[in-house]
Amino acid sequence: QQQVKQSPQSLIVQKGGISIINCAYENTAFDYFPWYQQFPGKGPALLIAIRPDVSEKKEGRFTISFNKSAKQFSLHIMDSQPGDSATYFCAASTNQGGKLIFGQGTELSVKP
Amino acid sequence: EAQVTQNPRYLITVTGKKLTVTCSQNMNHEYMSWYRQDPGLGLRQIYYSMNVEVTDKGDVPEGYKVSRKEKRNFPLILESPSPNQTSLYFCASSLRAQGHQETQYFGPGTRLLVL
Repeated sequence: QQQVKQSPQSLIVQKGGISIINCAYENTAFDYFPWYQQFPGKGPALLIAIRPDVSEKKEGRFTISFNKSAKQFSLHIMDSQPGDSATYFCAASTNQGGKLIFGQGTELSVKP
Repeated sequence: EAQVTQNPRYLITVTGKKLTVTCSQNMNHEYMSWYRQDPGLGLRQIYYSMNVEVTDKGDVPEGYKVSRKEKRNFPLILESPSPNQTSLYFCASSLRAQGHQETQYFGPGTRLLVL
């Protein structure tokens, strides 16, 4: 019940296209949902995060869509660029304890 | 420069030889955490600390120990490493004690190979 399932494992998108990465969870106590971006040889860095009181959050070309009833959330990257090529991780936590549960990761490649 | 540092960055060792991976942050953060990253499994939390002398298990704590004697340091100790602990390890920190609910700043990673 503590798992976060992420798909797809890898994604290839043409420059200018939309990249979509999906995550699903079971624990209804999760109330914080961040997305992290990791470039090769680097540590992950926070990209964008959402709490379940809103259904969508947008920052530049990056948007999180959140569906509380379906227990799913997704990352949309509009106008994808080669510089967006990285591994993306979704994650979730509750407001109890100190655990952050990550998804399995999606390796995104944006072709010029 | 505000950062999380880890040492060493690369380590090759043999089964059973105790090792310590250091983690230090200069941002006066309360929350610190260790993760391991394995292909197909994503990042999995090993241990976390919400303040000095306060540590707790993450999802994969077996075979690891941690300590938090000072706010800035959070070393990861492998008392008797085994090959299944071969992995990429990340330390992270966050400003407040509830660091799992806000931005975590990750170190550059330590790649460990246990033969």
